Amino acid sequence: DTAVSQTPKYLVTQMGNDKSIKCEQNLGHDTMYWYKQDSKKFLKIMFSYNNKELIINETVPNRFSPKSPDKAHLNLHINSLELGDSAVYFCASSQGSFGAGYFGPGTRLTVT
Amino acid sequence: AQSVTQPDIHITVSEGASLELRCNYSYGATPYLFWYVQSPGQGLQLLLKYFSGDTLVQGIKGFEAEFKRSQSSFNLRKPSVHWSDAAEYFCAVGARSGGSNYKLTFGKGTLLTVNP
Repeated sequence: DTAVSQTPKYLVTQMGNDKSIKCEQNLGHDTMYWYKQDSKKFLKIMFSYNNKELIINETVPNRFSPKSPDKAHLNLHINSLELGDSAVYFCASSQGSFGAGYFGPGTRLTVT
Repeated sequence: AQSVTQPDIHITVSEGASLELRCNYSYGATPYLFWYVQSPGQGLQLLLKYFSGDTLVQGIKGFEAEFKRSQSSFNLRKPSVHWSDAAEYFCAVGARSGGSNYKLTFGKGTLLTVNP
């Protein structure tokens, strides 16, 4: 059983397009996160939701919009993709909003 | 603002040798501390975490870490490394970000190579 799953695993798209990444967790956790890992493997928090409520919103371009339809799902929509958006995006979840616990496998986004 | 330093970018050890990965943090209050491991092309797996209590924390895969407040350190150790331990290791500090919410700040990682 996959605890935190993401789709798609790979995403290749052109500049200017709009794309979404989906995340689901089956752990019953109340908090979910999006992290971005750049080409140098540096990880940075983007957003965090607790019980569907946005609780952390880091300095991220407003082209990025998270949506949490329920506690088990957290999606990330990106408008007008830019070359600099190329990265691996990780979803994570935890019980309690202490930062993160379980990570998904990641979505490698490549913008050409 | 909180920060995490992993002084060693790359460490090479022989299989069966002991391992210590260093992590220093900067945070004004008592931190939550974590170690994660990332194998190539994979997500992050939580090895262990420290919230409070006993400063020696046991984790999965035979790893342990010791919280030393006086040194602002949370070093990861393993007595005997296996070839399958080769991976990237990340230390992270959880710091308060409004109310009772925390966010993780990660170090830049230490790449572990294991020689046969």
